[in-house]
Amino acid sequence: EIVLTQSPATLSLSPGERATLSCRASQSVSSYLAWYQQKPGQAPRLLIYDASNRATGIPARFSGSGSGTDFTLTISSLEPEDFAVYYCQQRSNWRVTFGQGTRLEIK
Amino acid sequence: QVQLQESGPGLVKPSQTLSLTCTVSGGSISSGDYYWSWIRQPPGKGLEWIGYIYYSGSTYYNPSLKSRVTISVDTSKNQFSLKLSSVTAADTAVYYCARGSYSGSYDVDYWGQGTLVTVSS
Repeated sequence: EIVLTQSPATLSLSPGERATLSCRASQSVSSYLAWYQQKPGQAPRLLIYDASNRATGIPARFSGSGSGTDFTLTISSLEPEDFAVYYCQQRSNWRVTFGQGTRLEIK
Repeated sequence: QVQLQESGPGLVKPSQTLSLTCTVSGGSISSGDYYWSWIRQPPGKGLEWIGYIYYSGSTYYNPSLKSRVTISVDTSKNQFSLKLSSVTAADTAVYYCARGSYSGSYDVDYWGQGTLVTVSS
């Protein structure tokens, strides 16, 4: 089973700052990685698919990069509405798993 | 606009079977481009993939739950369902039904609102 490890567990930043979230896979997942944002009481929202493609309607300040085992979600300039929990998700063959999440909180 | 809506009991007794149905509107469950999934989230914790089904009926289950899970599809009603047997308090969670892309990262682009299922006597 491929394990996704997200870091840091919690990231404290201020609006306007740049956020860099990491997701590391225990073995290569090629570019089969997605990122989601979840706010309290809401279902997750797809941000990035296939490692670097923004989903429909996602602002350009969100970007994804990486391949193989190391992936990054970057938010170029944080808006107040970006403070939430972020999850990465991979698929390998027919199996799908999530990372444990990174909480992005206001400093 | 695709919409998904979970339905089913919010309270299940230990050792019984949890049953949920997801009704899909705004799109056909028979589309070959997508799979239909159940994902859960225990209170205050992260996301766990339960499994998914393709319109043809082929399924994938999380190995940690495989012995207790059945996902089925009813294309005539545009619905798919989850059954989880022998539940315990550890199965208490918000259960989401969702649509995923059957290619690339298998990313999920549409989610139901989620339904809280509590396992308690």
